[in-house]
Amino acid sequence: EIVMTQNPLSLTVTPGQPASISCNSSQSLLHSNGKTFLCWYLQKPGQPPQLLIYELFNRYSGVPDRFSGSGSETDFTLKISRVEAEDVGLYYCMQNIYFPYTFGRGTKLEIK
Amino acid sequence: EVKLVESGGVLVQPGGSLRLSCAASGFIFNNYWMSWVRQVPGKGLEWVAGIKQDGSEKFYVDSVRGRFTISRDNAKNSLYLQMNTLRAEDTAIYHCAKNWALDYWGQGTPVTVSS
Repeated sequence: EIVMTQNPLSLTVTPGQPASISCNSSQSLLHSNGKTFLCWYLQKPGQPPQLLIYELFNRYSGVPDRFSGSGSETDFTLKISRVEAEDVGLYYCMQNIYFPYTFGRGTKLEIK
Repeated sequence: EVKLVESGGVLVQPGGSLRLSCAASGFIFNNYWMSWVRQVPGKGLEWVAGIKQDGSEKFYVDSVRGRFTISRDNAKNSLYLQMNTLRAEDTAIYHCAKNWALDYWGQGTPVTVSS
């Protein structure tokens, strides 16, 4: 099973400032079709997770463009260009190239 | 509007069985891969099982393989999870989720395994 490691486990950001979350995988998530199967989710308090980014850098429908995903085969980054109050919650990375899908432990984003 | 509504979660004794259901609407159900994902309150996420559009392929996390069975009824736009030989560590909120990238999740149904 692929192990997903996220850092930091928590961060506090001033509104309007950028934020960055890292995730790395124990195996390459690069498929032979050229796509990298890495997703990012945000779980707001009291809600199920919502998809932000799929296939490394593709924003899901309705996701603001202040969210961006990047990375290589095993090292990945979610960036928020300017954090807003509504961005608080738990952020998870997940690999969906091999079964079982596996998640990182989550990063808690709080607003200063 | 996409909707996924889970049901069937209850308090059950260790060793018992339970069947979860997920009613889907707002999209063409038989076009999508579907999964079950669980979350212990205050803890992280664990993908549990997935099923292909036509039900011909199923995958499980090791901790549930042989005890849980995922299935679907495309005529009823429904996803199921049959859970047998339940253990305390299966206690969690169980969500159904749509598509390879889990692009939409239901609110979940709580399962508690305790004597």
